Amino acid sequence: KAGVTQTPRYLIKTRGQQVTLSCSPISGHRSVSWYQQTPGQGLQFLFEYFSETQRNKGNFPGRFSGRQFSNSRSEMNVSTLELGDSALYLCASSFGANLPQNTGELFFGEGSRLTVL
Amino acid sequence: GDSVTQMEGPVTLSEEAFLTINCTYTATGYPSLFWYVQYPGEGLQLLLKATKADDKGSNKGFEATYRKETTSFHLEKGSVQVSDSAVYFCALSDSDSNYQLIWGAGTKLIIKP
Repeated sequence: KAGVTQTPRYLIKTRGQQVTLSCSPISGHRSVSWYQQTPGQGLQFLFEYFSETQRNKGNFPGRFSGRQFSNSRSEMNVSTLELGDSALYLCASSFGANLPQNTGELFFGEGSRLTVL
Repeated sequence: GDSVTQMEGPVTLSEEAFLTINCTYTATGYPSLFWYVQYPGEGLQLLLKATKADDKGSNKGFEATYRKETTSFHLEKGSVQVSDSAVYFCALSDSDSNYQLIWGAGTKLIIKP
């Protein structure tokens, strides 16, 4: 079956702009999580959506937001971009906790690499 | 709260050497434990997992045993290859973390031919 698809794979923005990243989960998965990965900070959890509701949130400023649609596809948005937002943004999908199908495994996309100039 | 501690990298080995990447955890419940691997330019993928004490996860020649008495889940491989060069992440999930994965910092592994 098709894996997790993230678009775009690469993008360059300038400070102050905003960006929207998209993630299509594996068919049947209702949970989508977003992570920011940088060389200095490692892998940091942004937020998780399950059935269109934000269920968990990491410690990021309000400039980072997301949403999930009824088909489980998710988008994340970063407004007023800063140089420090340059990172690889990873999306991961799963069945979601407390479901019989849940194995605890996350399935990751290849990421969207954002460069802020 | 729950936490995962991994040995710092990078770890540099010659091909065919024995590999150990240490991982210890802190959790109040009975977590499931995972090793994920990230190859250059790719997202993370599950390498192996163990869901209860004394379970051994294995995949692609890698093994890790869930040791509750030492709260450890060390990753081992008997003979590494250049293609094993990647970043390895240890993680746990349990009810205390609301089943969110708690991640270690990652260990970069470099294998030289």
